[in-house]
Amino acid sequence: EADIYQTPRYLVIGTGKKITLECSQTMGHDKMYWYQQDPGMELHLIHYSYGVNSTEKGDLSSESTVSRIRTEHFPLTLESARPSHTSQYLCASSLGGRGTEAFFGQGTRLTVV
Amino acid sequence: GQQLNQSPQSMFIQEGEDVSMNCTSSSIFNTWLWYKQDPGEGPVLLIALYKAGELTSNGRLTAQFGITRKDSFLNISASIPSDVGIYFCAGLSYNTDKLIFGTGTRLQVFP
Repeated sequence: EADIYQTPRYLVIGTGKKITLECSQTMGHDKMYWYQQDPGMELHLIHYSYGVNSTEKGDLSSESTVSRIRTEHFPLTLESARPSHTSQYLCASSLGGRGTEAFFGQGTRLTVV
Repeated sequence: GQQLNQSPQSMFIQEGEDVSMNCTSSSIFNTWLWYKQDPGEGPVLLIALYKAGELTSNGRLTAQFGITRKDSFLNISASIPSDVGIYFCAGLSYNTDKLIFGTGTRLQVFP
């Protein structure tokens, strides 16, 4: 069973608010990812990290930012939420290196009204 | 960027039938992963493939890493109602070191 946790599970917030989605893993994994997914659709990579102090943008442009100050923690921040940010956000982690599988958290369903 | 195309997009089958789906890309991948996602949840890893030509089973599930390294296949035998969900392939390339997901196959099983 994967030990990766996302909070909150659900968030409804007003336009213009700043939000942070939390993601933590207790597996000591170096690589962490954030994906954005609309209901029933494919997952789009928006951010990833190779380890502490490493962050890269994914294939889908996103107004969110991430940080990796500790190995186990990879929070995602939106400075000013908009209705277009409404989506599900999924965090994942893997050991890193070659050929290692990624494990996912349960996701955060964000609704911006 | 890299793209993974899955087919079929949707499947509606009767309980007990076998299911086949595949994932193709124009790029070479070094690892293929297959996930299942239930509504409102994160994807759960089903099978991981690391070598071209590799055939791996997990219960009623069997997956293969294509010889060209540009495709992968997933088969489910004797489907049951709890197999309902969205199945995603994912590929990892050593060049980019990014895990890219396919477009998904939506499976519906009728009793």
